[in-house]
Formats: sequence, C-alpha cells, structure tokens
Amino acid sequence: ETGVTQSPTHLIKTRGQQVTLRCSSQSGHNTVSWYQQALGQGPQFIFQYYREEENGRGNFPPRFSGLQFPNYSSELNVNALELDDSALYLCASSLKQGGYEQYFGPGTRLTVT
Amino acid sequence: QQQVKQSPQSLIVQKGGISIINCAYENTAFDYFPWYQQFPGKGPALLIAIRPDVSEKKEGRFTISFNKSAKQFSLHIMDSQPGDSATYFCAASNGKAAGNKLTFGGGTRVLVKP
Repeated sequence: ETGVTQSPTHLIKTRGQQVTLRCSSQSGHNTVSWYQQALGQGPQFIFQYYREEENGRGNFPPRFSGLQFPNYSSELNVNALELDDSALYLCASSLKQGGYEQYFGPGTRLTVT
Repeated sequence: QQQVKQSPQSLIVQKGGISIINCAYENTAFDYFPWYQQFPGKGPALLIAIRPDVSEKKEGRFTISFNKSAKQFSLHIMDSQPGDSATYFCAASNGKAAGNKLTFGGGTRVLVKP
C-alpha cells in the first residue's frame, strides 16, 4: 500500500510570487484535504477535494485554490504569496465512504522571503 | 476561535513513566476524536482515535479517555520510551459537516528522558 506523497519537499519563494504544491493520495483513497501548519502550531484546515470538486473550505482567502485530478491526486496553488504564508503544507488523504481517518503526507516546507 | 484546547504545551517524563495530555472541545457536533504524533520535519501520524459512544480506547501503550459530558478527552502514554519523544496533537471533526475537517489543538511537546 502506497502512502501519501508530496512534492516538493522544500520551496523558497519571494513575496508576490505564485506556488504550486502537489500531493498523491494513499492507494484506494478518493478524498484529499490540505492543511497549513505554522511553526509551533497545530495544522489549520485549508480545504478538501472529493470527486474533483471542493468539498469544504476553512478560513483562507481565495488566493488559496486547488485541484483534484481523476487519479485523486491534488494540487494546492497559492497566488500573491505573503510572508505569513511561510509554513509546512500538509496533504491528507481519506476514503470518503470508509470513515473519518485522515492520513498525512510528509509535507512541503514553504519559505516566503 | 480555538475550538480545541490542549494542555500542557510541553512535558518531561522519565523513561517508564506515564505521559498525560488533555484536550477540551466546544463544538458538541464533533463526533470523532483522533490523536496524532509528529516528529520534527515529518507529517502527523495517526496514533489512535475514539468516537463519543465509548469512554475509553486502548491500543498498546496508548489509551484515550473520553468524557462526553465534560467535553474533554485525554491521551495516556504508559511506560513512556525515549522514542515517544515527539509533539502530540489532539483533533476533532464532525463527520456530517462538509469537508469533515480536522480541528487541531495547539500541540504538546513530550520529552522522555532515559
């Protein structure tokens, strides 16, 4: 069974730029959620994708957007990067019909300078 | 508004001792309460979870105690080992809400001294 994978591992961007982060869900899982984890804090829910559509969104501005592909992989896009966007971005996959368990990937460390 | 409050922020325990982490929630619609373990530079790993229809769940050295009336739940790590040194997060979710998002506590950094 393949776990959740994310790419890239680390990324450095300049304020105002745009970034795309990628996630491959665990084998058999059809739902992907994205979380932002600032240093020393718990993860904060950004949004979830199910059947290629956004299915729930946290308190994040529209410049945070996403996609889910037919193979259930997903992208997180952030436009007009701000310094406060520096964080660990986590992807979690789950089986919508199978229960509540969410399994996290290793994350992408984004630094905005 | 922080809906899940976790304490303590950090704790130090001797090898073989018991680590206890507490969480309190506000939203009575929450119906799933997992605990995650996170090592530096890694993503959170699901450790153990409980539903509100049971008061206790045990898996190996890890036990969740749940008090629905008090809206509190806790993680007990028995016979703590140096390899348990990590940050632990409690979380809660509402399966009926769109997105089934996890709301996390602030985390507890646990250090197990040999």
